[in-house]
Amino acid sequence: EDQVTQSPEALRLQEGESSSLNCSYTVSGLRGLFWYRQDPGKGPEFLFTLYSAGEEKEKERLKATLTKKESFLHITAPKPEDSATYLCAVSNTGNQFYFGTGTSLTVIP
Amino acid sequence: GAVVSQHPSRVICKSGTSVKIECRSLDFQATTMFWYRQFPKKSLMLMATSNEGSKATYEQGVEKDKFLINHASLTLSTLTVTSAHPEDSSFYICSATPSPYEQYFGPGTRLTVT
Repeated sequence: EDQVTQSPEALRLQEGESSSLNCSYTVSGLRGLFWYRQDPGKGPEFLFTLYSAGEEKEKERLKATLTKKESFLHITAPKPEDSATYLCAVSNTGNQFYFGTGTSLTVIP
Repeated sequence: GAVVSQHPSRVICKSGTSVKIECRSLDFQATTMFWYRQFPKKSLMLMATSNEGSKATYEQGVEKDKFLINHASLTLSTLTVTSAHPEDSSFYICSATPSPYEQYFGPGTRLTVT
């Protein structure tokens, strides 16, 4: 069964303290792996799509990587404004989507 | 690109009334749109998949007569919560797909039923 597991559930970082969020997935045929950022009371904001193992994408302090079993969202020198819930999702060859439960990130000044 | 809007952003209604939420893809055509419900500090719960010109497909446990979905065009889907009750109060989010394997989300609608 296709599924997505994110860890940790919650993460508290000091400003400037780099870390990584994990997204482990099992999928029958990967079409894409997606990272979203969600702020309280708002819809998820698209960050990245990764399509194949070995692919990496960067945006400001964020870098997403992909292997055949998991994806990491690396946050370098985070700032308080990076505090949000980060969601991971996969789509399979049947165009079905599976979401993780998210990692709630808090960056303390 | 890939902007999705929702209207209204917040709505308060009285118990027993109906509320309509609109979801629009602003810069692309979306054959498929999804409707989600999200409870506080919880992940997204898929309610239904809406395909343009056909009936929506509802997830198990979602009442199709209570949550009416209409996908009348390639840029517009609507969710109508009929005879709303306080337990329907929630955050409703739509998403639209410019291709079968991508999703872009709207900003969400906060529904409060008094």
